[in-house]
Order: sequence, then structure tokens, then C-alpha cells
Amino acid sequence: AQKVTQAQTEISVVEKEDVTLDCVYETRDTTYYLFWYKQPPSGELVFLIRRNSFDEQNEISGRYSWNFQKSTSSFNFTITASQVVDSAVYFCALSEAGSSASKIIFGSGTRLSIRP
Amino acid sequence: GAVVSQHPSRVICKSGTSVKIECRSLDFQATTMFWYRQFPKQSLMLMATSNEGSKATYEQGVEKDKFLINHASLTLSTLTVTSAHPEDSSFYICSAYQGYEKLFFGSGTQLSVL
Repeated sequence: AQKVTQAQTEISVVEKEDVTLDCVYETRDTTYYLFWYKQPPSGELVFLIRRNSFDEQNEISGRYSWNFQKSTSSFNFTITASQVVDSAVYFCALSEAGSSASKIIFGSGTRLSIRP
Repeated sequence: GAVVSQHPSRVICKSGTSVKIECRSLDFQATTMFWYRQFPKQSLMLMATSNEGSKATYEQGVEKDKFLINHASLTLSTLTVTSAHPEDSSFYICSAYQGYEKLFFGSGTQLSVL
């Protein structure tokens, strides 16, 4: 069975600090996808990244970066020079690839608060 | 990017009434849509998978007679909460599958049952 664990329930940092959100996953499949979504107070889910299991390259997008390590089944997310607008709940998620639509299983989320 | 429209964004209803939530894929056809429920400060829990032209597949513990799902066209899935009770109050969010693991989410519906 697949499972996503986000051990950090809440994180609070001061603006401009770097912060890393942890994500550990479990799956029996060799082919799968990992995601990060942001959920601001308004409720909608904002897609941040999708990574397939065969691509272990780390990715950087502006202040955001992701570290995918299959050896430890982790897909961590780092925000550099955090800003107040980064305050939100962040979800890591997993889907097992298949020939048809695959349902996404979400972690429990990490509530990130950036203090001015 | 693809857009998924979910309506209404907020609904308040009396206990015992039924509420219908619509999820539309605006610029692509979605043979598969998913419905999630999220309680305050909790994660999104998958309720059911909605397949166009066939019966929905419900996750364990989700009452199919309580949460009716209809996926009558390639762009529309509806979730009807029948005989709503206060414990059904939650944030409901849909997603539409475009293919190649591309999944787009609606903006969610906050249901409050009085």
C-alpha cells in the first residue's frame, strides 16, 4: 500500500529564513509520481511540482527547490529566503503510475507560518 | 494550464436537505475525476473516483448512498450530499484527470450543515 508521511505538523520561521519541509513515502511500485501542492488559506490547491520515479535530479524553481532521494524514499521541499506569502499548508503526495488515471494519496500536510 | 471549475464555493444548508456540488473541466475532457474531503486542519482524503459513463468507485468507509456521484459527461461530475447532517460539514474538492498523470484541482466547496 502507498503512504505519504509528513512528520512536521507545523513550522514557523522568521521571514528570509530558509525552511525545508520533509516528505517520506512508501510504495511497492517501481513507477510512481510524487507531487507537492500548496494550499493557501483560501483553500484551493496550487500545483508546485510533479516528479516521476525515474528522474532523481533535484530541481530548482526560483526560491523553491526539491531533493528527491530514492535511497531514503524522501522528496523534501526547501524554500529559500522565505516570504510571508509562502505561509500556507503544503502537501506532499504520491500516485502510482498505471495505464489509466491514478489516484493521488496525500500526506497529512505541513502548516508553514512565515513571521514578518 | 487546464482549468477545473467547482461550484458552489460555499454553501450553507439545513440538516436533512441535499446539496449538489459541480465539478467541470473547462478546456479538456476528463474521463476520470476524483472527489476529496478535507476536515479542518487535516489532509485531503479521497472519497471516490468518478468515471464517465459508469458507476463511481468509492473508498472504504464512504457511503455511496450518502454521497451520490454522477459523471454524465466528459466535462462534468457532480457530488450530491444527500440528507446532509452537521457531521458532513467539510471542505470538498474535486480533481480532473487530463492524462499522463496530469491532475487539476477545483477551488473547493465549503459545506456547512446547520
